Amino acid sequence: EVQLVESGGGLVQPGRSLRLSCTASGFTFGDYAMSWVRQAPGKGLEWVGFIRSKAYGGTTEYAASVKGRFTISRDDSKSIAYLQMNSLKTEDTAVYYCTRDGPYGMDVWGQGTTVTVSS
Amino acid sequence: EIVLTQSPGTLSLSPGERATLSCRASQSVSSSYLAWYQQKPGQAPRLLIYGASSRATGIPDRFSGSGSGTDFTLTISRLEPEDFAVYYCQQYGSSLVTFGQGTKLEIK
Repeated sequence: EVQLVESGGGLVQPGRSLRLSCTASGFTFGDYAMSWVRQAPGKGLEWVGFIRSKAYGGTTEYAASVKGRFTISRDDSKSIAYLQMNSLKTEDTAVYYCTRDGPYGMDVWGQGTTVTVSS
Repeated sequence: EIVLTQSPGTLSLSPGERATLSCRASQSVSSSYLAWYQQKPGQAPRLLIYGASSRATGIPDRFSGSGSGTDFTLTISRLEPEDFAVYYCQQYGSSLVTFGQGTKLEIK
């Protein structure tokens, strides 16, 4: 079964850091780009960023709202994608989803992990 | 950044009716890299349509997508009770991926 499982969410104070993980199973992880998408309480979907597969350089792109604060990385040997979040702000409070990306859109989504930034 | 504007914000219809949801882009979407997602409360979004008009695996044929350039449409031919949800369009043809703000499809 193709599956993505996020972990690492929780309550964190403004200005602190948090690292989310996305563990993949059921497919060849290294063949795919991976994205992170977030959803603030009661709001719509916001793309955070993605990391390309190694075949396409493994490079990253980020939304303007997180560029310079968030970093996406991947460990293909473990089938895990990471979202390192630094200098967190209250407006980063959201459910964070990881997704499998391709020419067919974001075809696999995890169940999400909740990040709450509050003092 | 390509801005996607969905309309209407809320659509109130009855089961059995036809739903037409619109997504307009601020500039042309590359190679029709336009997708539609459905999200129900408490659940992750689900891919419905990719490439503007191709149904994802397992999606019923009552869902169809059309359009190109800057104007795209998701049509649900006959609404089933399980179709009432929020729908998002997304463009993934540029390095900066964007979503529309969503259309809530509610039971009338």
